Amino acid sequence: AQTVTQSQPEMSVQEAETVTLSCTYDTSESDYYLFWYKQPPSRQMILVIRQEAYKQQNATENRFSVNFQKAAKSFSLKISDSQLGDAAMYFCAYRTLNYGGSQGNLIFGKGTKLSVKP
Amino acid sequence: NAGVTQTPKFRILKIGQSMTLQCTQDMNHNYMYWYRQDPGMGLKLIYYSVGAGITDKGEVPNGYNVSRSTTEDFPLRLELAAPSQTSVYFCASSLGSYNEQFFGPGTRLTVL
Repeated sequence: AQTVTQSQPEMSVQEAETVTLSCTYDTSESDYYLFWYKQPPSRQMILVIRQEAYKQQNATENRFSVNFQKAAKSFSLKISDSQLGDAAMYFCAYRTLNYGGSQGNLIFGKGTKLSVKP
Repeated sequence: NAGVTQTPKFRILKIGQSMTLQCTQDMNHNYMYWYRQDPGMGLKLIYYSVGAGITDKGEVPNGYNVSRSTTEDFPLRLELAAPSQTSVYFCASSLGSYNEQFFGPGTRLTVL
């Protein structure tokens, strides 16, 4: 079974600076998707960025980018120029591409709570 | 489009009571999911559906039931509520298994 581990329960960053959130995962599959979701105090789950495992190029969405190391099974999220609105829980998630079992469901880590200091 | 809507937003149940959490999506998505989020944890899959009339268990299905009579609706039924079911429940939908999942705002359930 696949597992996702986020080893940083809490992180803090100064406004306008850069922070990196860590995520590692365990799988025997070769094809899968990885995601970072943001959950602000409103509880709404918001997709931040996604990465297809077959793509070597790291995904980027504006101030958010990932460092995907497939061999090391590592998927970190870098937030540049941090803003107060970035304060939230961040969840790393894995999704299998196999059709057996649960189809398309996400497997989540426990999350990292990010605080942004003004 | 409203996206994925869930009702109620909050609910307090007594042990042994039953209730249904409602989930509706207006995006004509085939796949729908129910997750629960316990304090300090990520979301875990309860049940999922790949289309009307088709449902299957996820990682933590005990104490829950679902049905999918229409594409739009995917209600989650709690029978004989227990304190262990105190959690935040999220419904999600996606067009297919490869597509982005869209989440509802969640239902906070407390069982006392």
